[in-house]
Amino acid sequence: QVQLVQSGAEVKKPGASVKVSCKASGYTFTNYDITWVRQAPGQGLEWMGLISAYNGDTKYSQKVQGRVILTTDTSTTTAYMELRSLRSDDTAVYYCARDGSSGPDNWGQGTQVTVSS
Amino acid sequence: DIQMTQSPSSLSASVGDRVTITCRASQDISNYLAWFQQKSGKAPKSLIYAASRLQSGVPSKFSGSGSGTDFTLTISSLPPEDFATYYCQQYNSYPITFGQGTRLEIK
Repeated sequence: QVQLVQSGAEVKKPGASVKVSCKASGYTFTNYDITWVRQAPGQGLEWMGLISAYNGDTKYSQKVQGRVILTTDTSTTTAYMELRSLRSDDTAVYYCARDGSSGPDNWGQGTQVTVSS
Repeated sequence: DIQMTQSPSSLSASVGDRVTITCRASQDISNYLAWFQQKSGKAPKSLIYAASRLQSGVPSKFSGSGSGTDFTLTISSLPPEDFATYYCQQYNSYPITFGQGTRLEIK
């Protein structure tokens, strides 16, 4: 069965970077994109960006563009989201999701990232 | 950016009720509309894509309709486990955008 397993919770200081991983299994990794979405405490869902696991093409939200880097490692079927220059308003749960012709269909369990001095 | 507006923002209903949630796009998105369910503290669950197509494994009590700018999600005969927050999302163009969510509560 399709599974996306994310890395564990992180606590970072303002200005630092964080890298969240998303290990995919149960499907052909390169046949799908990986979408990243975050959710600040008590808030709704915010799309951050998307990466093609086939060729590495990326699309980013303007809100985080310049601070976020999405990558994939096809040898380990793992996607990564790196967010730099962290601010307090980056505190959120970060989700990865498999994204194909039917949109995001399977989601990771989420990774809590807390930015605090 | 395309703005997605859901209504209502919150809704109280009883077990067994039929409920409808509306999502309006600020411009034509054809049928590039998805719906998600999120329970408290959990990851979103994908329900519907292409405005009306059920994701694999999603029961037929969920249905979606609409095209262009106006869309609806209907849940027939609400069981207790479907009290959650529901989000629409447009994927017609980047940046992909979500509605603000509709919180469905037990009356």
